[in-house]
Amino acid sequence: SAVISQKPSRDICQRGTSLTIQCQVDSQVTMMFWYRQQPGQSLTLIATANQGSEATYESGFVIDKFPISRPNLTFSTLTVSNMSPEDSSIYLCSVAGGLAGLSSTDTQYFGPGTRLTVL
Amino acid sequence: AQSVTQLGSHVSVSEGALVLLRCNYSSSVPPYLFWYVQYPNQGLQLLLKYTSAATLVKGINGFEAEFKKSETSFHLTKPSAHMSDAAEYFCAVSDGDDYKLSFGAGTTVTVRA
Repeated sequence: SAVISQKPSRDICQRGTSLTIQCQVDSQVTMMFWYRQQPGQSLTLIATANQGSEATYESGFVIDKFPISRPNLTFSTLTVSNMSPEDSSIYLCSVAGGLAGLSSTDTQYFGPGTRLTVL
Repeated sequence: AQSVTQLGSHVSVSEGALVLLRCNYSSSVPPYLFWYVQYPNQGLQLLLKYTSAATLVKGINGFEAEFKKSETSFHLTKPSAHMSDAAEYFCAVSDGDDYKLSFGAGTTVTVRA
């Protein structure tokens, strides 16, 4: 299966600042998603990253707070803007479908996550 | 819209004992069902999935799950627990149209020596 990496793996940030998280896949994939996992909680979908167009956000998440880019079929970024302590979470990207390594779009594979702490 | 309920937020088992994690789903269409495992400080790893083929699905690390439509369940089992099975387990459902996953709250498994 494809190798999915995220940078940074963890970070500690000051409130009011922004952090951009990168997700890189070693093969082209059809779909990329971003999730948030708050401490001790399950995963919540933030948005679907669409290649070449604006991301599709879930209810409760807005572009101004979580801008997302997907310039090609192997890379996406999520920015957490104007951070507050409530943004302290693990942020995970996932991928599905592709030309190589991931045969179907019905299964998502996850990156290792970015652990964010906001002080 | 689909949703998942995992019964039991914590499960403690003895090494060598049966592991049983319960998952019930609701979906207006035939679902795709998944179990993922998350080891401490790691991302999610796919254990197994059901996508309308065989109702008994075998996954990695000796885990298996049975899809029971009449009970809307997809419980995860492993006959003999190993210390390395200590982790958080998530059940997830997708309706297959947009491939968005809805996750259960998760079940933390601890294994006693």
